[in-house]
Amino acid sequence: GNSVTQMEGPVTLSEEAFLTINCTYTATGYPSLFWYVQYPGEGLQLLLKATKADDKGSNKGFEATYRKETTSFHLEKGSVQVSDSAVYFCALSEGYGGATNKLIFGTGTLLAVQP
Amino acid sequence: DVKVTQSSRYLVKRTGEKVFLECVQDMDHENMFWYRQDPGLGLRLIYFSYDVKMKEKGDIPEGYSVSREKKERFSLILESASTNQTSMYLCASSLAGRVLNTEAFFGQGTRLTVV
Repeated sequence: GNSVTQMEGPVTLSEEAFLTINCTYTATGYPSLFWYVQYPGEGLQLLLKATKADDKGSNKGFEATYRKETTSFHLEKGSVQVSDSAVYFCALSEGYGGATNKLIFGTGTLLAVQP
Repeated sequence: DVKVTQSSRYLVKRTGEKVFLECVQDMDHENMFWYRQDPGLGLRLIYFSYDVKMKEKGDIPEGYSVSREKKERFSLILESASTNQTSMYLCASSLAGRVLNTEAFFGQGTRLTVV
């Protein structure tokens, strides 16, 4: 079945450092790919998404490119801030009967940014 | 703004109790989901519903049931709570449709402890 694998955390960085969180997927067909973020004490919220190969999703300085040839959707940010400390989830959407879709999540990566 | 509201942030229940977790969304979404979140395991889908009175099992439905009598409300029921159901429970909703890039909106989560 479809699955998502993301790098284990925690990832600890100093403020203004470069961030990469790796995500690879296994899927049949052409799923959409997402990054969700969970700040402490909150639910998940969508960070960015890409719906087809070579699409780049971006938001709040974060970027990820849908690479079909390597089945990857790595999350990057050029300069992290303390406020970026959160858990990041990579996910893909899986169609169900054409009428809805389910999200398949990775295990999450905790990012801790130190001042 | 889309709002997904879970009735409790924290719950403590005794082994063997019947437990109800309630979720309400205010954006007329067709799809609703229940996930549980555990460290190192990410989010795992328990049940989802794509219409009123319709439900489908997710990846880990054992020990749970659901109810969707109205479009805006999706309830998760633990028939006889056990300690291994201690977890964070997240409700989500999304629009239906054949487009697989639909964003899911999450509630803040219910942290359930079974003692």
